[in-house]
Amino acid sequence: GQSLEQPSEVTAVEGAIVQINCTYQTSGFYGLSWYQQHDGGAPTFLSYNALDGLEETGRFSSFLSRSDSYGYLLLQELQMKDSASYFCAVTFEKGGGNKLTFGTGTQLKVEL
Amino acid sequence: GAVVSQHPSRVICKSGTSVKIECRSLDFQATTMFWYRQFPKKSLMLMATSNEGSKATYEQGVEKDKFLINHASLTLSTLTVTSAHPEDSSFYICSAATSGRGGGTDTQYFGPGTRLTVL
Repeated sequence: GQSLEQPSEVTAVEGAIVQINCTYQTSGFYGLSWYQQHDGGAPTFLSYNALDGLEETGRFSSFLSRSDSYGYLLLQELQMKDSASYFCAVTFEKGGGNKLTFGTGTQLKVEL
Repeated sequence: GAVVSQHPSRVICKSGTSVKIECRSLDFQATTMFWYRQFPKKSLMLMATSNEGSKATYEQGVEKDKFLINHASLTLSTLTVTSAHPEDSSFYICSAATSGRGGGTDTQYFGPGTRLTVL
């Protein structure tokens, strides 16, 4: 089976830095992605790691350690608009479609 | 770029009717589209993988006769919920995959979702 665990909720203040962790156990692994989803909206792609290390994209960075089956999403200079759900997702199968399995999701609340 | 649309955005239907949801990639060709289901405050659950010109591949536990998927072209996939019942009420989201864009070959671009309510 597939299992991706994330904290259910994280609260932080505007301007702060927050880290959302993801640990996974999957039948296959090709890469770890992160998606943002506002209430009632579509998931939006944020970041992707296929290899170990840190990937930086503006205020967002993502880290992967394949040996630890672990990754995190780092959000810097938090803004109110960052309040949303964040999902990690593992690409567990390739060929005829790169299938994703999603984590449990983390609700981020940014406060003043 | 990489825009995916879904239609309708909301649908309310009576129990026993069928509902068709369309998913279109607007500015790129997607050989593969995926259909997900999401319950409130929950994660996205992959229902099926749809490849253009071939039969969809369903995930374990998903009834293929209930959730009919047709991938008619490189820009269109449809999901038909047949004989819908209240327990089928959910948020249905499609995505289209393309290689070499954005974050890499595994990037999926999601549609805005369709909220289905079965009375």
